[in-house]
Amino acid sequence: DIQMTQSPSSLSASIGDRVTITCRASQTVNSYLNWYQQKPGKAPKLLIHSSSSLQSGVPSRFSGSGSGTDYTLTISSLQPDDLGTYYCQQTFNTPKTFGGGTRVEIK
Amino acid sequence: EVQLIESGGDLVQPGRSLRLSCAASGFTFDEYAMDWVRQAPGKGLEWVATISWNSGVIRHADSVKGRFTISRDNSQNSLYLEMNSLKPADTALYYCAKDSGSSGIINAYDLWGQGTVVIVSS
Repeated sequence: DIQMTQSPSSLSASIGDRVTITCRASQTVNSYLNWYQQKPGKAPKLLIHSSSSLQSGVPSRFSGSGSGTDYTLTISSLQPDDLGTYYCQQTFNTPKTFGGGTRVEIK
Repeated sequence: EVQLIESGGDLVQPGRSLRLSCAASGFTFDEYAMDWVRQAPGKGLEWVATISWNSGVIRHADSVKGRFTISRDNSQNSLYLEMNSLKPADTALYYCAKDSGSSGIINAYDLWGQGTVVIVSS
């Protein structure tokens, strides 16, 4: 199984800050790496698919990059609505493993 | 409206069975793979199972293999999860998720339901 390690597990940042979350796979996932945002009490929402493709309707302040085993989600300017937990997921192979999540709080 | 609505969650005793359903609407159901994903209370997301558009590819997580079975009825626009020999560790919010492709691998979940709660306890 491919293990996904996210860091940090939580962060606190101010409005307008640039925020970076990383996800490392235990073996290559060939850019089949997705990012989801989950707000408290809600279902997850797709932000980025295939490492760097912005899902339709998602604000452009979100971006993804990476290849092989290392991937990054960046929020260029943190907004109040970005509060929540962010998960990476590889879909290169089953089991389609998720990272442990990164909780983003607003200072 | 494009949506997924799960149902069937309940409080059950260990060892009992349960069948979850997911009703899809607003998109061409039989063109897409579908998955079940669960989230234990206060925990992260865990992939449970996937089924391709025509049921030709079916995969289950090792944690549920032999106990859970994913299936679909394209004529009813519905996805199912048959859960047998339930354990307390299966307690979770179960989400139905639409794959953005047909095969069940490679793609992402571009639509999620709101989930149905399964509690396994004596």
